[in-house]
Amino acid sequence: EVLLVESGGALVQPGGSLRLSCAASGFTFSTSSMHWVRQVPGKGLEHVSAINSNGERTYYGDSVKGRFTISRDNSKNTLFLQMGSLGPEDMAVYFCVSWNGRTLDYWGQGTLVTVSS
Amino acid sequence: EIVMTQSPATLSVSPGERVTLSCRASQSVSTNLGWYQQKAGQAPRLLVYGASTRATDIPARFSGSGSGTDFTLTINSLQSEDFAVYFCHQYNNWPFTFGPGTTVDLK
Repeated sequence: EVLLVESGGALVQPGGSLRLSCAASGFTFSTSSMHWVRQVPGKGLEHVSAINSNGERTYYGDSVKGRFTISRDNSKNTLFLQMGSLGPEDMAVYFCVSWNGRTLDYWGQGTLVTVSS
Repeated sequence: EIVMTQSPATLSVSPGERVTLSCRASQSVSTNLGWYQQKAGQAPRLLVYGASTRATDIPARFSGSGSGTDFTLTINSLQSEDFAVYFCHQYNNWPFTFGPGTTVDLK
């Protein structure tokens, strides 16, 4: 069974930083591209970032470019998202999502990031 | 950035009805289009990818069609568990983008 378990979401002050993690199991993590997608509760979905299987290629949405960094540790089957200069517009549930070579397939349950003073 | 639009925003239906949801891309995405179902408090679930291929364990009442800029998700004989929000998603060009969603609720 594929499992993606996000952690690290928290309440953070504006301008602060946070690191999200995603522990993966049930599939070959080291050969899969991975993505972060966020959703303001009750609203739509936004693709935040992606990373290829060996970590050499990364992609960012315009709204987070220069502030967020995606990375992975294939030895620990873990995906990361380092977030900085956080603002109210970054408040959302962050989902870790696997790519099966053709599309996004499995999603974690998400971790909530709240930005407030 | 490719902008995805969906119509209608909300669809009120009765169980057993046939439902047709539309998705349009601002430029061609070929068949690099997926559909997701999301229920309250849950993560999205993949229904269809490649515009028309059902994902694993998805019932045959769900079907997708289209290519280029216009796509459709059809649910034949809607079941009670199908009341949810449905999103389309293009993965032809980065940044990948989602439509705003169509809510299917009980009439």
